Amino acid sequence: AQSVSQHNHHVILSEAASLELGCNYSYGGTVNLFWYVQYPGQHLQLLLKYFSGDPLVKGIKGFEAEFIKSKFSFNLRKPSVQWSDTAEYFCAVNAWGYNKLIFGAGTRLAVHP
Amino acid sequence: GAVVSQHPSRVICKSGTSVKIECRSLDFQATTMFWYRQFPKKSLMLMATSNEGSKATYEQGVEKDKFLINHASLTLSTLTVTSAHPEDSSFYICSARGLGSDGNQPQHFGDGTRLSIL
Repeated sequence: AQSVSQHNHHVILSEAASLELGCNYSYGGTVNLFWYVQYPGQHLQLLLKYFSGDPLVKGIKGFEAEFIKSKFSFNLRKPSVQWSDTAEYFCAVNAWGYNKLIFGAGTRLAVHP
Repeated sequence: GAVVSQHPSRVICKSGTSVKIECRSLDFQATTMFWYRQFPKKSLMLMATSNEGSKATYEQGVEKDKFLINHASLTLSTLTVTSAHPEDSSFYICSARGLGSDGNQPQHFGDGTRLSIL
């Protein structure tokens, strides 16, 4: 069965610190990969996605993620976080041929000014 | 673009009541809609997938007779929690996906419905 693992449940950073959130998935075939963000009191929003091509994907608000197929990973990064990045971040995987997303447990990020 | 409206945002009702939650895609046609349940400090758990005009596909462990899903049009899906009990209290989220190959279109999420059964 497919599964998604996010290593950090809670991350606390100061503004301007660099961020890397881990995401690993288990599925041997072709996948589409997503990072969603949920700001306090808001709905889930798409941050970035990978379907094919360049494994380094750039998303909104300065976020990027790198797909490393050999490691089954899709880690999210941002060089310098802001207080407004405080949110919960979900990694999700869709395996080709399966009509559904599998979500990780989420990482709650708190950025202090 | 790609706005999904979910209504109501919060429901508080007595045990035994049936509750209907609506999910609408406002500016696109949603061939597929998904219903999730989110427990506190947990990830989203997919309950069912519905395609317009056909029966929903339920995930293992989700009671079909308890959680009735209807996807009668390309812009509306409803989830009815029948004879709700306190253990059904949760945060329910819908998402919608537009036309395109499976998985190649991102899902767009509603704001969720907080259901509290007394």
